[in-house]
Amino acid sequence: GQQVMQIPQYQHVQEGEDFTTYCNSSTTLSNIQWYKQRPGGHPVFLIQLVKSGEVKKQKRLTFQFGEAKKNSSLHITATQTTDVGTYFCAGYAGGTSYGKLTFGQGTILTVHP
Amino acid sequence: NAGVTQTPKFRVLKTGQSMTLLCAQDMNHEYMYWYRQDPGMGLRLIHYSVGEGTTAKGEVPDGYNVSRLKKQNFLLGLESAAPSQTSVYFCASSPTSGSDEQFFGPGTRLTVL
Repeated sequence: GQQVMQIPQYQHVQEGEDFTTYCNSSTTLSNIQWYKQRPGGHPVFLIQLVKSGEVKKQKRLTFQFGEAKKNSSLHITATQTTDVGTYFCAGYAGGTSYGKLTFGQGTILTVHP
Repeated sequence: NAGVTQTPKFRVLKTGQSMTLLCAQDMNHEYMYWYRQDPGMGLRLIHYSVGEGTTAKGEVPDGYNVSRLKKQNFLLGLESAAPSQTSVYFCASSPTSGSDEQFFGPGTRLTVL
């Protein structure tokens, strides 16, 4: 079945440093979504990427979708303590995976002040 | 709107006991999902529904059953709880397609002794 791998599993940074998490799918995706889960909270949708090579920005967050639509990345510039949490990518492939997303394992981000 | 709500928030069971987790959404969403979240495993799909009266198996369906008798409710049942089912359970819904963003409930923390 479809698999989505996400690295790294953990990332510790000093406040002000940059952070990147990477997501790779075993199959071509129709779209990829990113979610953030604060400690003790539930996942919250951040963004969806649909087009090959697409780049979207939300303030200090930059999201990219690979040309082959099998990989994606989330980059945070100048991290802040409010960025702490787990970041998940989730791929939608359709076809035999109709109706469901496949989530990566998540990257747990810790920001030291 | 309350969004997605889950009942109960916490529960402790003994091995072999049964229970039902209730998910309700007031957004008139077609799709609903049950996930479990374990450390280092990300979000794993248990069962999902693409509309009222429908259910389908996800990645880890064994030991669980579901029902979607009303569009707004999605029930997850554990017939005979096992310690391996100790986890945090999240319900989610999406509007009209499996490729839509998902809205998550606050989660249920279940411990099976």
